[in-house]
Amino acid sequence: EEQLVESGGDLVQPGGSLRLSCAASGFMFSSFGMSWVRQAPGKGLQWVSSIGSGGTTTYYADSVKGRFTIFRDNSKNTLYLLMNTLRVEDTAVYYCAKLTAGGTAYWGQGTLVTVSS
Amino acid sequence: QPVLTQSSSASASLGSSVKLTCTLSSGHSSYIIAWHQQQPGKAPRYLMKVEGSGSYSKGSGLPDRFAGSSSGADRYLTISDLQSEDEADYYCEAWDTNTRVFGGGTKVTVL
Repeated sequence: EEQLVESGGDLVQPGGSLRLSCAASGFMFSSFGMSWVRQAPGKGLQWVSSIGSGGTTTYYADSVKGRFTIFRDNSKNTLYLLMNTLRVEDTAVYYCAKLTAGGTAYWGQGTLVTVSS
Repeated sequence: QPVLTQSSSASASLGSSVKLTCTLSSGHSSYIIAWHQQQPGKAPRYLMKVEGSGSYSKGSGLPDRFAGSSSGADRYLTISDLQSEDEADYYCEAWDTNTRVFGGGTKVTVL
């Protein structure tokens, strides 16, 4: 059974940093692109970043470009999101997701990031 | 990049049908989209992809009550024989080479 388990969410002050992790199991992790998608409280889904299966190709939403870094360790079946210079507006549940040719095909359960002083 | 437009809400009676629309922006009418369901307090769940031709491919375990279709720049999700557990937010998703976008979501209420 496919599984994506996020961790690392926490309460952090504005300007701080955080690293999210997503442990994958039940599928060939190294064969799939992956994404991070976030959802602010009471709001809709917002794409944050994607990475190719090999880890060399990365894409970012304009709102996080230059502050967030997506990377992966295929030997550990783990996806990461390093978030620097965090802002109050980055407060959200962050979902890890598996990509296929048919779109975002599987979602993790999410991890909450709260940016507040 | 594509922009996706969804109605904010829809409602239908238990056992009836509801048809949700996701409209692609000008110049993007051929794009494939994906539909996702998010029940209250839960993570999103992938439902299906819908192509411009109207063909659709469902995720594993999705009941036959869920179907996709297409017309021009519009992509549809039809839920038949509505059940209480279908009360949820439904999002469409499109993607480009270097970006992904979601519609604003449609909240479905089962009366």
